[in-house]
Amino acid sequence: QSALTQPASVSGSPGQSITISCTGTSSDIGAYNFVSWYQQHPGKAPKLMIYEVSNRPSGVSHRFSGSKSGNTASLTISGLQAEDEADYYCNLYTSSNFWMFGGGTKVTVL
Amino acid sequence: QITLKESGPTLVKPTQTLTLTCTFSGFSLSTDTVGVGWIRQPPGKALEWLALIYWDDDKRYSPSLKSRLIITKDTSKNQVVLTMTNMDPVDTATYYCAHQYRADFDYWGQGTLVTVSS
Repeated sequence: QSALTQPASVSGSPGQSITISCTGTSSDIGAYNFVSWYQQHPGKAPKLMIYEVSNRPSGVSHRFSGSKSGNTASLTISGLQAEDEADYYCNLYTSSNFWMFGGGTKVTVL
Repeated sequence: QITLKESGPTLVKPTQTLTLTCTFSGFSLSTDTVGVGWIRQPPGKALEWLALIYWDDDKRYSPSLKSRLIITKDTSKNQVVLTMTNMDPVDTATYYCAHQYRADFDYWGQGTLVTVSS
């Protein structure tokens, strides 16, 4: 069972753009497009922000976008706002029919 | 409107079996492609996927916990039950259930904190 690696923390000033990476292997992220991203504020349940690499659910701000290159998926937050300060997790549906979460990234708005 | 809510004991002793119930509304677990999954989060730590059951009773388990988990559904009651055996203090966590569609978890319960302690 491989691991999904995320940076522990990323920070930016209001209005800036930040990118969170999620690195896997050629057998998981590199092979499939079932990557999703979740936002979690303290004490709250996670919220789906991106599904299937780059799709936004209804109601999610256009400031959130997802992409993938090789074995790395990325979540970009544009026009960073104070409300974006939260933990973010990538998630992958694997070829072995189970799901994996990344270790999480704490986003700080300076 | 889809809602899910977890219920079960807040405290279990080491070696005991934990049984959690997810009661949901706004969807049917007999609908094609729908599933309900369980995810946990130890205090201050990352999310960990545990198990999922599909509308057709197909079941998936985390490879690292498979020997300790059983997931079942009661479609008539709109409930999914997760059983975890041989609980240990490291299993202390908030346990979430979530609606699964495609390969994502688009609706989540509020979570329930389970503490494992003697």
